[in-house]
Amino acid sequence: DVKVTQSSRYLVKRTGEKVFLECVQDMDHENMFWYRQDPGLGLRLIYFSYDVKMKEKGDIPEGYSVSREKKERFSLILESASTNQTSMYLCASNRGSTNEKLFFGSGTQLSVL
Amino acid sequence: QQQVKQSPQSLIVQKGGISIINCAYENTAFDYFPWYQQFPGKGPALLIAIRPDVSEKKEGRFTISFNKSAKQFSLHIMDSQPGDSATYFCAASRAAGNKLTFGGGTRVLVKP
Repeated sequence: DVKVTQSSRYLVKRTGEKVFLECVQDMDHENMFWYRQDPGLGLRLIYFSYDVKMKEKGDIPEGYSVSREKKERFSLILESASTNQTSMYLCASNRGSTNEKLFFGSGTQLSVL
Repeated sequence: QQQVKQSPQSLIVQKGGISIINCAYENTAFDYFPWYQQFPGKGPALLIAIRPDVSEKKEGRFTISFNKSAKQFSLHIMDSQPGDSATYFCAASRAAGNKLTFGGGTRVLVKP
């Protein structure tokens, strides 16, 4: 069974902390994505990666960075967490072909106090 | 601004009824229109998808209707069941791309 695993289900951090959200997929997928989900706004793309060490900005990259050192792992980094980054973060992956089905992890609910 | 607008935000339907969710898009370059279903505590999962060369696609009780001239598409859930209670997201992307733009989501509650 295909799997996208996010390291934490719930996370509470303080304003100004550096936060790492980790995502691992076991499907040998080329593409990996980070979305944030907010009520009424749906899912918004933060960053995506189409290959190891490659990344592209999504629609809302400000305040975030990413790292992909290995094909199966994609990390989202909040350099200095702020309260407006309190949200549900979803990682996803798919194969390299156009418009392939996205496989999502179960999400990390991040609260920044 | 949201490139894909979804309505309603929430919907309550009786068991056996029809749930209808509507989406409108602005970018005429969009060429692929999937719907994702999300249960509480889970990530979204692909439910059904359509391309603009057809006006309707049906999979079981789920049907997508597509109106290219109006730049609108909708999801119909026929004979709605309590197990269909979930949040539904429409989305769109360009033909050659992989970046999905999602609508705001619709929370559907099917009452027994």
